[in-house]
Amino acid sequence: DTAVSQTPKYLVTQMGNDKSIKCEQNLGHDTMYWYKQDSKKFLKIMFSYNNKELIINETVPNRFSPKSPDKAHLNLHINSLELGDSAVYFCASSSQVTNQPQHFGDGTRLSIL
Amino acid sequence: QKEVEQNSGPLSVPEGAIASLNCTYSDRGSQSFFWYRQYSGKSPELIMSIYSNGDKEDGRFTAQLNKASQYVSLLIRDSQPSDSATYLCAVSGGSGNTPLVFGKGTRLSVIA
Repeated sequence: DTAVSQTPKYLVTQMGNDKSIKCEQNLGHDTMYWYKQDSKKFLKIMFSYNNKELIINETVPNRFSPKSPDKAHLNLHINSLELGDSAVYFCASSSQVTNQPQHFGDGTRLSIL
Repeated sequence: QKEVEQNSGPLSVPEGAIASLNCTYSDRGSQSFFWYRQYSGKSPELIMSIYSNGDKEDGRFTAQLNKASQYVSLLIRDSQPSDSATYLCAVSGGSGNTPLVFGKGTRLSVIA
């Protein structure tokens, strides 16, 4: 009965490859997010979707493309992976109701060789 | 640029002592304030939320908010070795789909 689940948990791949990370939440939330946590442990927002619509797109290379097929799912596709993309990517979700906290998935550790 | 500042630590306290973690934020319009705990290799876990000035207590944890000073703090009473983790302060504008702005976290070490 995991609330926010991400797959895969670990992803090791070569520079230049394309990869996807999937996220699903069963909390009934209408807003989902992707955060990146770098090697210095700094968590930063990448994208935010509300009811399948993109509402926040921070300064992220356009090699990163989120897709939300429905409000329970938010996937992240990354093209032409670079060494600097190595990080932990966290999916999160929250209710649109004001002041509700965000709930995080377990993270996907991406390592670029 | 909205910023959240925390002392990175490490903050070391003996078991049973009070740990005090502090956070300041730059956006005066912020309305929601959260403390997350993150163990090494794990995801952030919500431990406290606070929305109005004053103190909010939950078990051994007390969150304090002072909007005039743009300051949030977390007190952990009777600290335990299991409290050793990185504590992340997060702030948002308050509307339900506003992303969190995180501080860089304070690493707490509780010495047995």
